[in-house]
Amino acid sequence: AQSVTQLDSQVPVFEEAPVELRCNYSSSVSVYLFWYVQYPNQGLQLLLKYLSGSTLVKGINGFEAEFNKSQTSFHLRKPSVHISDTAEYFCAVSEHGGATNKLIFGTGTLLAVQP
Amino acid sequence: KAGVTQTPRYLIKTRGQQVTLSCSPISGHRSVSWYQQTPGQGLQFLFEYFSETQRNKGNFPGRFSGRQFSNSRSEMNVSTLELGDSALYLCASSLATSSYNEQFFGPGTRLTVL
Repeated sequence: AQSVTQLDSQVPVFEEAPVELRCNYSSSVSVYLFWYVQYPNQGLQLLLKYLSGSTLVKGINGFEAEFNKSQTSFHLRKPSVHISDTAEYFCAVSEHGGATNKLIFGTGTLLAVQP
Repeated sequence: KAGVTQTPRYLIKTRGQQVTLSCSPISGHRSVSWYQQTPGQGLQFLFEYFSETQRNKGNFPGRFSGRQFSNSRSEMNVSTLELGDSALYLCASSLATSSYNEQFFGPGTRLTVL
């Protein structure tokens, strides 16, 4: 079984400051890792994913994340945030190579960008 | 290319009633998954369908059911509604279920149970 932990329920940050949203996971099998963003009254949009290969992955809107297998982490970073980045961010995993797309989500982190 | 569509977008029901939600996947996608999103429990997997067959099911009571049609459209049904069923129900579609296939999410149906 897999589980995902997002320790920070809310992260306030000033515009143009850097931000890191933390994600740790637990799994007995290899997993794919994802970050999704959800804007108010909308569905989920994929920001970036780690499938294999380079542990540093770049996504849309200037976000990037680094997979750390030894620490079972997949933290999301952005060097300079904008007001428009205000949204809820979800870390998720799915089983690597399994015959399923089932996603296990963390509880989400609300990124609140202040002017 | 049109995205995933879900109907209706908003729904209000009373306890004990039943409800059917619909999801139309992206053209060509054959896999549909459903998730429930609540403030208390977060995002939880309900079920996954591929080519009209349920491939995976989450830990929900039997009141929650679903199906997929030959055109890949999917419906989920909740019978005997409870207050705790109030949630945003999200549908996601992908090409298939093997290996990695990116899932595309719809805007969701917000169900309120009174």
